[in-house]
Amino acid sequence: DAGVTQSPTHLIKTRGQHVTLRCSPISGHKSVSWYQQVLGQGPQFIFQYYEKEERGRGNFPDRFSARQFPNYSSELNVNALLLGDSALYLCASSLQLGSQTEAFFGQGTRLTVV
Amino acid sequence: AQRVTQPEKLLSVFKGAPVELKCNYSYSGSPELFWYVQYSRQRLQLLLRHISRESIKGFTADLNKGETSFHLKKPFAQEEDSAMYYCALGPMGFGNEKLTFGTGTRLTIIP
Repeated sequence: DAGVTQSPTHLIKTRGQHVTLRCSPISGHKSVSWYQQVLGQGPQFIFQYYEKEERGRGNFPDRFSARQFPNYSSELNVNALLLGDSALYLCASSLQLGSQTEAFFGQGTRLTVV
Repeated sequence: AQRVTQPEKLLSVFKGAPVELKCNYSYSGSPELFWYVQYSRQRLQLLLRHISRESIKGFTADLNKGETSFHLKKPFAQEEDSAMYYCALGPMGFGNEKLTFGTGTRLTIIP
């Protein structure tokens, strides 16, 4: 049984470039959330999508965007990369919305901006 | 605003001793609280949630609304408990679907 899968696992980009991170949820899960985890901090909420619609957005600049596809997979896009965007990006999937459903996390994508 | 505070970044406990990981929250409504754990080289996973009132791997956590706390406890620490522990608040629903995490506590069990 595959869990949440994220690709790539590691990525190095240069300041100003653009990056796309990908997430495949657990089969049957319709909700995908993205989190940014900077070294030494807890995960910070970026976006949530449910049934292909944005259901929540954290306090991140417009350089961050995301979308969810008909198969419920998701992409996180970051434009005009800054050094401060270096972090572990986590994807989580859940069956539905709300606190009654468990969020399952992927292994994350480690993004380094140089 | 939602906020979760974990005052201890590092905690070392001897095997067999009691463990308490502290978590305080700030939220004006009725909170939903969780503990997540990350073992070495593994992904973040749910340990327990207050609403289910379960004991998982010997851990329990009681919500204290008066003290706005959700401390994680275990009476006798085991070596396999060494991990990173995150307390989290939410999601609340009605458009607020995010989990708000604390900064985490790294628990080390000394043999």
